[in-house]
Amino acid sequence: SQQGEEDPQALSIQEGENATMNCSYKTSINNLQWYRQNSGRGLVHLILIRSNEREKHSGRLRVTLDTSKKSSSLLITASRAADTASYFCATDLRRTGKLIFGQGTTLQVKP
Amino acid sequence: GAGVSQSPSNKVTEKGKDVELRCDPISGHTALYWYRQSLGQGLEFLIYFQGNSAPDKSGLPSDRFSAERTGGSVSTLTIQRTQQEDSAVYLCASSLEVGSGYGYTFGSGTRLTVV
Repeated sequence: SQQGEEDPQALSIQEGENATMNCSYKTSINNLQWYRQNSGRGLVHLILIRSNEREKHSGRLRVTLDTSKKSSSLLITASRAADTASYFCATDLRRTGKLIFGQGTTLQVKP
Repeated sequence: GAGVSQSPSNKVTEKGKDVELRCDPISGHTALYWYRQSLGQGLEFLIYFQGNSAPDKSGLPSDRFSAERTGGSVSTLTIQRTQQEDSAVYLCASSLEVGSGYGYTFGSGTRLTVV
């Protein structure tokens, strides 16, 4: 079964609006990471939040982590057309050290 | 190098042939991962290497798949007797260390098409 489940699968918003994506996982983690993938192949690391952290910011990105609920959210504020991409959460598993990815959220930001 | 380099970027092969995919990680990165991504899907973990430790091969889908990492640097993923369901983008990523709390740097991938 998949370690990371993301919600929603697809999101379409207008430029300037905020976008929120959620990720749930099943087993204990060292940290949780968010990545972006533009059409094409390469993934870009956005932000990492450790298991003992609850919130982290990086520019227009805000990530929260609730280890009691085994869930995380990624908020992109004041979205831009250039934010259009797929976003993946990845969990660094405490027991094995593996980095396991969710299925991703496809975000479309309309100009 | 400055980033993770993968070659070839595209590979078309006939069903039943063997293929080798190469990954050159960032210098000094001891952790190296291989993932597979089918069209419109998430990333499927295949294998990871950490320094001189035995690799975690638990994600390899069948015994047709194997990978090695020579000298703790370059890695090769080999698929023997390719099947059409092997068609996907194969992604390599490296990091300073597994579980170190650093993000992973991905290569641009190899798009494999089995015809």
